[in-house]
Amino acid sequence: AQSVAQPEDQVNVAEGNPLTVKCTYSVSGNPYLFWYVQYPNRGLQFLLKYITGDNLVKGSYGFEAEFNKSQTSFHLKKPSALVSDSALYFCAVRTPPSGGSYIPTFGRGTSLIVHP
Amino acid sequence: DVKVTQSSRYLVKRTGEKVFLECVQDMDHENMFWYRQDPGLGLRLIYFSYDVKMKEKGDIPEGYSVSREKKERFSLILESASTNQTSMYLCASSTRSRGLDEQFFGPGTRLTVL
Repeated sequence: AQSVAQPEDQVNVAEGNPLTVKCTYSVSGNPYLFWYVQYPNRGLQFLLKYITGDNLVKGSYGFEAEFNKSQTSFHLKKPSALVSDSALYFCAVRTPPSGGSYIPTFGRGTSLIVHP
Repeated sequence: DVKVTQSSRYLVKRTGEKVFLECVQDMDHENMFWYRQDPGLGLRLIYFSYDVKMKEKGDIPEGYSVSREKKERFSLILESASTNQTSMYLCASSTRSRGLDEQFFGPGTRLTVL
């Protein structure tokens, strides 16, 4: 079974400060990890993913995430937050296709609010 | 630019009506998904299809059915709408090609059942 936890329902940060949105996962075998962002009244947009290789993954809009196998975490980070980053962020995990499934499991989402 | 489109952004229906939500993708993706999104509950998978005419139940299939007659189109059907099916419905697609694993989502349909 696979699962994802986003321990914070909401994260507040001042514009210009660094931000972190947390994600931990549980999966049998090697994980495929994803971050998506959802702006109000929109569908989800893909931000970045970790499949294999370098633990630090860079994605869209200046976001990055660090895969930490020992802590089973995949936290989303940005060095300097913008008001326009305010949105709902979802972490997702799935196992590799061989022997696994194409169906990811999503976290419950974290609302990021960036204050001017 | 890749696209997943959904037939309606907003829909209002009455209890007992049969409701069709349509989703079309132009990326030749094998996999298609229907989710519902409710505050505090995140995304919950209703049904998944990995090929034409193939479907698998997700976490919450009760009260829903699906149809996939063509590769690009995946329909969600509420046989008899109920007020507890008021929600945001999201369609997504993905490919099985290695290295291209992320899902592409449509804009969502906000359904209200009165």
